[in-house]
Amino acid sequence: EVQLVESGGGLVKPGGSLRLSCAASGFTFSSYSMNWVRQAPGKGLEWVSSISSSSSYIYYADSVKGRFTISRDNAKNSLYLQMNSLRAEDTAVYYCARDRGSGSYYAYWGQGTLVTVSS
Amino acid sequence: AIRMTQSPSSFSASTGDRVTITCRASQGISSYLAWYQQKPGKAPKLLIYAASTLQSGVPSRFSGSGSGTDFTLTISCLQSEDFATYYCQQYYSYLGGYTFGQGTKLEIK
Repeated sequence: EVQLVESGGGLVKPGGSLRLSCAASGFTFSSYSMNWVRQAPGKGLEWVSSISSSSSYIYYADSVKGRFTISRDNAKNSLYLQMNSLRAEDTAVYYCARDRGSGSYYAYWGQGTLVTVSS
Repeated sequence: AIRMTQSPSSFSASTGDRVTITCRASQGISSYLAWYQQKPGKAPKLLIYAASTLQSGVPSRFSGSGSGTDFTLTISCLQSEDFATYYCQQYYSYLGGYTFGQGTKLEIK
């Protein structure tokens, strides 16, 4: 069974940093692109970033480009999101998501981790 | 960036109704469209991908159609568990992001 478990969320001050992790199990992690999607409280879904299976291709939403860095460790079956220069508008539940291998749509999601940016 | 616009943003229906949600892309995306269902406090659930392919385990009362810029999600006979928020998403291009629609909240009448 595919499982994705996020961790690392919490309360951080504007301008601060946070690193999210996603522990994957139940599939061959190194074979799939991985993604981060976020959802601000009471709002819709926003794609944040994607990374290919070998980290060769990395993409970011314009709203986080230059501030967030996605990475992965295939030996540890883990996905990461380093978030710097955080803003109030980055407050959201952050989901780790896996596609089916045929496009960047997401068949598997974690439970999400809440990031709150506030002074 | 490709903009995805859903309509309506919300509406009320009764169990047993047939409902249709529309999603329009600001430019052609072929059939690179997915639909998700989300219930409060839960992660989204993939319903349909490639515009019309039902994800494994999803009831056959859900169906999708369209290509290019105009797409629809149809629920043929609403069940109580279908009251939720629905999102479309394009995965045609990462330029500007794999954008989602703003969501359609389906409520019980």
